[in-house]
Amino acid sequence: AQTVTQSQPEMSVQEAETVTLSCTYDTSESDYYLFWYKQPPSRQMILVIRQEAYKQQNATENRFSVNFQKAAKSFSLKISDSQLGDAAMYFCAYSSGSRLTFGEGTQLTVNP
Amino acid sequence: SAVISQKPSRDICQRGTSLTIQCQVDSQVTMMFWYRQQPGQSLTLIATANQGSEATYESGFVIDKFPISRPNLTFSTLTVSNMSPEDSSIYLCSVAKVNYGYTFGSGTRLTVV
Repeated sequence: AQTVTQSQPEMSVQEAETVTLSCTYDTSESDYYLFWYKQPPSRQMILVIRQEAYKQQNATENRFSVNFQKAAKSFSLKISDSQLGDAAMYFCAYSSGSRLTFGEGTQLTVNP
Repeated sequence: SAVISQKPSRDICQRGTSLTIQCQVDSQVTMMFWYRQQPGQSLTLIATANQGSEATYESGFVIDKFPISRPNLTFSTLTVSNMSPEDSSIYLCSVAKVNYGYTFGSGTRLTVV
């Protein structure tokens, strides 16, 4: 079964600084998708970024980028120029076509 | 991407009663997913609901406790039956759209007293 592991239960960053959230996963599939979701206190799940496993190029979305290392099964999220609104729980997730499997989450605090 | 309307947003229920949660999608989707998020934890898949067939439940979840309906391609309901305080959680529905990934409803915060 696929598993997703986030080893950092909590992280903090100063406003305007850069922070990296870690995620590793385990799968025997060759074709799959990886996601980072943000869940603020409103509990809405917001898609931050996604990566197709067949693409070698790392995905980027404005201040958010990933470091996808397929061989190492690693998928970290880098947030640049952190803003107060980035404070939330961040979940890494895996899908091979239907269901999503989530990691345990990382609570990100942004300090002014 | 799809837009999902989930109701109710929150409820406080007496133990032993049932609550039905509704999700309406603004476009047709093949699969809808129901998740539970217990306090301070990650999301756990309850079941996958396909239109016209029985829902597929994950290990640890049974139809008698979490009956699901999927009458058409834009709507689904999840019922939490015979509730106990252990059922207090956030329940979320989700759909998958090609090229957009997964979209979630706004969640239902359930408290059982």
